[in-house]
Amino acid sequence: QSALTQPPSVSGSPGQSVTISCTGTSSDVGSYNRVSWYQQPPGTAPKLMIYEVSNRPSGVPDRFSGSKSGNTASLTISGLQAEDEADYYCSSYTSSSTHVVFGGGTKLTVL
Amino acid sequence: EVQLVESGGGLVQPGRSLRLSCAASGFTFDDYAMHWVRQAPGKGLEWVSGISWNSGSIGYADSVKGRFTISRDNAKNSLYLQMSSLRAEDTALYYCAKDIKNGLYYYCMDVWGKGTTVAVSS
Repeated sequence: QSALTQPPSVSGSPGQSVTISCTGTSSDVGSYNRVSWYQQPPGTAPKLMIYEVSNRPSGVPDRFSGSKSGNTASLTISGLQAEDEADYYCSSYTSSSTHVVFGGGTKLTVL
Repeated sequence: EVQLVESGGGLVQPGRSLRLSCAASGFTFDDYAMHWVRQAPGKGLEWVSGISWNSGSIGYADSVKGRFTISRDNAKNSLYLQMSSLRAEDTALYYCAKDIKNGLYYYCMDVWGKGTTVAVSS
């Protein structure tokens, strides 16, 4: 099962907005509203930020939002803050036997 | 506080075995599916294996199928990963993670442990 495709890196200045894309196929992102996004600052465990495409777990700031169009899901972070600097991973339910696939990760740099 | 604590990692020679454990607390363990996810040094996340709340449904990544066995003991609030025939490419930080949905095998992880490191080398 191939990983979902994410850009290796994105960057933005404090206060700006950035969007991270996550491209899959009709076997995963395109067919299921079960896309999740995880934040992983350096040296820490992943943290769930978005589930079911656009839902935020309790405690996640509303600066984080998710969406999906066709085979591509997106995570948008508005009002960038220095603490948002981290690696971000998407995942999706898939019809393959493994049932879940991750993206390769995107490093967000806050300039 | 919901918490997952992994243990059992270490340095092991290729071809040998290792058993990871994950102790859960702060939630009703037997209501949730559980997962193992690994991260090789400098690499991304890779789902390794998952198990439903009652062990009735189990899955593995193709890369570990036939070599790794996941299990759980709901009486002990514990998750396990028995790893055999270990290879250099199994070297990674192994995370234990809780599924988000009560009673379902949903493949979305809302709580993660800090991980335990497995290094496979001669």
